[in-house]
Amino acid sequence: SQQGEEDPQALSIQEGENATMNCSYKTSINNLQWYRQNSGRGLVHLILIRSNEREKHSGRLRVTLDTSKKSSSLLITASRAADTASYFCGTGANNLFFGTGTRLTVIP
Amino acid sequence: GAVVSQHPSRVICKSGTSVKIECRSLDFQATTMFWYRQFPKQSLMLMATSNEGSKATYEQGVEKDKFLINHASLTLSTLTVTSAHPEDSSFYICSARPMNSLAGYTFGSGTRLTVV
Repeated sequence: SQQGEEDPQALSIQEGENATMNCSYKTSINNLQWYRQNSGRGLVHLILIRSNEREKHSGRLRVTLDTSKKSSSLLITASRAADTASYFCGTGANNLFFGTGTRLTVIP
Repeated sequence: GAVVSQHPSRVICKSGTSVKIECRSLDFQATTMFWYRQFPKQSLMLMATSNEGSKATYEQGVEKDKFLINHASLTLSTLTVTSAHPEDSSFYICSARPMNSLAGYTFGSGTRLTVV
């Protein structure tokens, strides 16, 4: 990818379980953003974490950032079938480059 | 909230023809907009940054003569795929964010281009 790697590439869990996705990036960042994409649709912004932040919460989402390791994680708690989507992390100063993405499937 | 409208959502064209895709920011102004291409089950690849009133900035490996970008106003950017070939079939997505905003980007709903 232009920006880095995400793992796992695919994740399948039961409804109610937690889902954790990881993202690694290549360059220094000002912030890192997580997006969600439903199949065949555009991306929806989920959360932005700045380089001086280590953790951020938004509803059932928890994002961590480790700039020393150039990595971030997205945790979705109490997953729902509607969370089924692809999740991407993106970084960039004046534009946005994305990782390879994680395809999450939540089984009802 | 910020809304980006992208049209058309789907287009089928014959090889050799050109296709124009529009990206509009409906409730904000954007000096820059971004065009991405996404192949099935792959990530989004940034193609170019569209700059209002000036030339677009293309990423390495993207042919500027093939993918013409025009950003004539603060609310509209267009991507024209010229002399399209089947290998240009892909999902094209634009994004933007309000001027002076440090928030996340807003994406259009994408355009599925099929070249036959």
